[in-house]
Amino acid sequence: NAGVTQTPKFRILKIGQSMTLQCTQDMNHNYMYWYRQDPGMGLKLIYYSVGAGITDKGEVPNGYNVSRSTTEDFPLRLELAAPSQTSVYFCASGDPGQNTEAFFGQGTRLTVV
Amino acid sequence: GIQVEQSPPDLILQEGANSTLRCNFSDSVNNLQWFHQNPWGQLINLFYIPSGTKQNGRLSATTVATERYSLLYISSSQTTDSGVYFCAVARSGTASKLTFGTGTRLQVTL
Repeated sequence: NAGVTQTPKFRILKIGQSMTLQCTQDMNHNYMYWYRQDPGMGLKLIYYSVGAGITDKGEVPNGYNVSRSTTEDFPLRLELAAPSQTSVYFCASGDPGQNTEAFFGQGTRLTVV
Repeated sequence: GIQVEQSPPDLILQEGANSTLRCNFSDSVNNLQWFHQNPWGQLINLFYIPSGTKQNGRLSATTVATERYSLLYISSSQTTDSGVYFCAVARSGTASKLTFGTGTRLQVTL
């Protein structure tokens, strides 16, 4: 089991550019999440999904979009990148119905210049 | 939303010392996890402990759900224990959306 895999690990974007952060999990979890971590802070929830075709906003969704066409994949789209989106992005998956813990990917370090 | 407070914010220990990290939360939870973020930024699951006590080697954790706090114990600390320790909680019926504390930064010196 690879767990939760994120790509890329690092990326530098120019202001106004767009990109998609990829996330895939092989644990057959229904729930998937995107968080961001700013320097010296805890993680904050951007978007989450409770199953294929179902997504919802978290605490800090502005400037981002998500989709969930399969159980395995949960990409995060940044449109018109801004310096405020410089952060480390973590994808996670879990299955609360089974009382299991959430597992996190290794993160994507994004810098917008 | 639910508030999560961790203490102390920073901790410096000599190798071999013991420590206790605390997590207070403001509402009933059905999910509580402790993570270690290593110096490379990776989040490592330590415990899934919405209630009760668990142990894993030199680490143990206790959650007293009725009093809304959790404790993480590190015994005989090693330099590899350095990093940031996060507590994260979720309330029942919230799709297990975790709310993170701001962490305890631990540095273990020789």
